[in-house]
Amino acid sequence: DAKTTQPPSMDCAEGRAANLPCNHSTISGNEYVYWYRQIHSQGPQYIIHGLKNNETNEMASLIITEDRKSSTLILPHATLRDTAVYYCIVRVDETSGSRLTFGEGTQLTVNP
Amino acid sequence: EADIYQTPRYLVIGTGKKITLECSQTMGHDKMYWYQQDPGMELHLIHYSYGVNSTEKGDLSSESTVSRIRTEHFPLTLESARPSHTSQYLCASSELGGRTEAFFGQGTRLTVV
Repeated sequence: DAKTTQPPSMDCAEGRAANLPCNHSTISGNEYVYWYRQIHSQGPQYIIHGLKNNETNEMASLIITEDRKSSTLILPHATLRDTAVYYCIVRVDETSGSRLTFGEGTQLTVNP
Repeated sequence: EADIYQTPRYLVIGTGKKITLECSQTMGHDKMYWYQQDPGMELHLIHYSYGVNSTEKGDLSSESTVSRIRTEHFPLTLESARPSHTSQYLCASSELGGRTEAFFGQGTRLTVV
């Protein structure tokens, strides 16, 4: 699976959009971009994933560049409860072969 | 709603004891995972399974062992606990296929004294 690079930390004001970047310059054509977050020491929570088109769900939007070498997770109206570590993961669309591995992620702090 | 459960949530145990951390899921998922995470640090994959009778080592070497006799259960065992095993252990499951999300349990925080 391709390696990802994320900034170690970011701050955001409550009510503003939080834009979390991720670089995955070695991504392959059959690899998906996934985002998870972990609040305190709870189990990680799935947020969203995509292949090449932009995606949106009730939690967030995912913008993937045309060359697929980077992506941005957007939380449109951040709240204090969005304070968490956010992980960007690139994962092949496999039937059984690939693992689910996490990097260091970005610590997002939403400030009042 | 995720249906994956870990027990116990917290465990304090003496050195040399044998322990088993339980993980169960009711979603019928074939893939299951165990991660180890120290406070403030990243998650490290220590074991995973593709289905019944399948177990694989993860990226981080671990003295623990796992078994997968039933689809819904993926217990992790430490034959002789040591203080170096003190950590949080997180279990997860997913369907086969890459375009599916993984669901995580709440974790077991293990302290070996």
